[in-house]
Amino acid sequence: EPEVTQTPSHQVTQMGQEVILRCVPISNHLYFYWYRQILGQKVEFLVSFYNNEISEKSEIFDDQFSVERPDGSNFTLKIRSTKLEDSAMYFCASMSEVGTDTQYFGPGTRLTVL
Amino acid sequence: AQSVTQLGSHVSVSEGALVLLRCNYSSSVPPYLFWYVQYPNQGLQLLLKYTTGATLVKGINGFEAEFKKSETSFHLTKPSAHMSDAAEYFCAVIPSGGSYIPTFGRGTSLIVHP
Repeated sequence: EPEVTQTPSHQVTQMGQEVILRCVPISNHLYFYWYRQILGQKVEFLVSFYNNEISEKSEIFDDQFSVERPDGSNFTLKIRSTKLEDSAMYFCASMSEVGTDTQYFGPGTRLTVL
Repeated sequence: AQSVTQLGSHVSVSEGALVLLRCNYSSSVPPYLFWYVQYPNQGLQLLLKYTTGATLVKGINGFEAEFKKSETSFHLTKPSAHMSDAAEYFCAVIPSGGSYIPTFGRGTSLIVHP
């Protein structure tokens, strides 16, 4: 069964460093998402991406964040200058089409900022 | 604004006992409703969803949920808990006719005792 994959599974970085989290969505899906889950808290929407551009973003997704689909298969989330409060689990999701269809989530990348 | 309330951050049951995880939402129109399960160190997996039609929805692993419009609820049940059901469960809603970005509840941790 097709699945969303994410790398790395765990990333440790120093405050102020840039990180890139990678996702490979399901191949025929058109809509892509990033979410984050701070330890012990609920899953929060960051950004959605369709047709090579951001379609929606939350207040969390400030200028420090960017997304890209560089090669038609990968979908990346970049944090330019990490802060301690960026420590969280980051989930990628993809969906085939808008409607009653479902978002399929990857296993997540745990980001730890020291 | 959409909101999702999951009553009880932790629910503890004995193996073989009934599982009941509560979810209430606030929405001016009936939304699309989802339950996701998150096993330790894994991503979110869809258990079941309600979009239209029959209000009792059956999902994977013996779980089911009933959409009750009058109560704005979508409680998750399973007749007999299994040790492998121990996980975090998230209720999510997507407003019908609007953005397809889900709002998640804070999650309920299901603990199953032998």
